[in-house]
Amino acid sequence: GAVVSQHPSWVICKSGTSVKIECRSLDFQATTMFWYRQFPKQSLMLMATSNEGSKATYEQGVEKDKFLINHASLTLSTLTVTSAHPEDSSFYICSADASRGSSSYGYTFGSGTRLTVV
Amino acid sequence: GDSVTQMEGPVTLSEEAFLTINCTYTATGYPSLFWYVQYPGEGLQLLLKATKADDKGSNKGFEATYRKETTSFHLEKGSVQVSDSAVYFCALETQGAQKLVFGQGTRLTINP
Repeated sequence: GAVVSQHPSWVICKSGTSVKIECRSLDFQATTMFWYRQFPKQSLMLMATSNEGSKATYEQGVEKDKFLINHASLTLSTLTVTSAHPEDSSFYICSADASRGSSSYGYTFGSGTRLTVV
Repeated sequence: GDSVTQMEGPVTLSEEAFLTINCTYTATGYPSLFWYVQYPGEGLQLLLKATKADDKGSNKGFEATYRKETTSFHLEKGSVQVSDSAVYFCALETQGAQKLVFGQGTRLTINP
């Protein structure tokens, strides 16, 4: 099946440092990946759509300079939280559209990354 | 814009009880509809989906029927198990948009 691997699963960092989260499609090519943020007991908020080889498309209200997205290959997208602060602490989830080619799995999600900024 | 509204949780049931989680949507065109499940500390897993009116999605004993006349996609299961305890999200994808819009999620707890 279509598998999306997300790493790390959790990370603790100091305020002011940067953290990189990786999202890989393991058995399919993903021209488009999505990054979500989930607050405790709340729904997922789409942050940005990551397109291979081009700039990401950010949702309204999401700071491009704080949440850097790179999608350099068909199997890897990264989200870098720059100069992290405690309010950036959250659960970040990536997703890829696996509906092309022979698969019909639609959107496949990574297992998420719990970021805690102290 | 497009939106999804789910019944508020949390929902607590006893094992073998009947489950309904309501979901209604607002969308232009003909969206695809989804139910995702999130177990503690994990990402989302697709539970079932329906792509056109009157379609019924089903998986693991769960069912949901795409009702265009009532713009609904209610999730049902005849007999729940403790292992069904999770957060359930209803979502839609607007036709041609390649973007999911999620409801707020409903936390389900099943007691033995």
